[in-house]
Amino acid sequence: QVQLQESGPGLVKPSETLDLTCTVSGGSISSYYWSWIRQPPGKGLEWVGFIYYIGSTHYNPSLKSRVTMSVDTSKNQISLKLTSVTAADTAVYYCARVAMLRGAITTFEIWGQGTKVTVSS
Amino acid sequence: EIVMTQSPATLSVSPGERATLSCRASQSVSSNLAWYQQKRGQAPRLLIYAASIRATGIPARFSGSGSGTEFTLTISIVQSEDFAVYYCQQYNNWPPITFGQGTRLDIK
Repeated sequence: QVQLQESGPGLVKPSETLDLTCTVSGGSISSYYWSWIRQPPGKGLEWVGFIYYIGSTHYNPSLKSRVTMSVDTSKNQISLKLTSVTAADTAVYYCARVAMLRGAITTFEIWGQGTKVTVSS
Repeated sequence: EIVMTQSPATLSVSPGERATLSCRASQSVSSNLAWYQQKRGQAPRLLIYAASIRATGIPARFSGSGSGTEFTLTISIVQSEDFAVYYCQQYNNWPPITFGQGTRLDIK
């Protein structure tokens, strides 16, 4: 079955760039949308953005100026870069596969286990 | 941005009882609403999409209803493994995709 595994540094300094990778196994990245969602400690879920396997993206307007998502189909990976991080970016970051219904984006049907990122000097 | 509001923040029930969780949207999302379950230390799991359709492998004791701005997730007979946090999510009007703040289902 399809599995997602996030990876990246667990500690990032303020003002630096958070850089995470999600590796997809057991299936292909092709023909799907993929997403990043984050969850600050003790808080709810915040959608970060979508990326289609051909590279088109949609970002949360609240993060749009700092977020870049990309895809590497040869490695079956998607990545997330978030620039100029602050303590408010401390969270568990999840990648997820997006379900489509009649050609429209709907839900997050498969999730990775998440990776915890702390922003601190 | 569509704001999703869940109530109550915490719901305490005994195993075997019925649990009813609510989610309200700040404007109509039609039936484009999903519910997720998140257990401590785990990723969320999709339970319901299109307001009332159970995802693959989800037990029949979970049911969803509603449309427009008012939605309900019902667990008919709560089992011990159901104690978790539940989130609603709208996908009708984005960006951004938005989630409710969650309802914690606790053991009474």
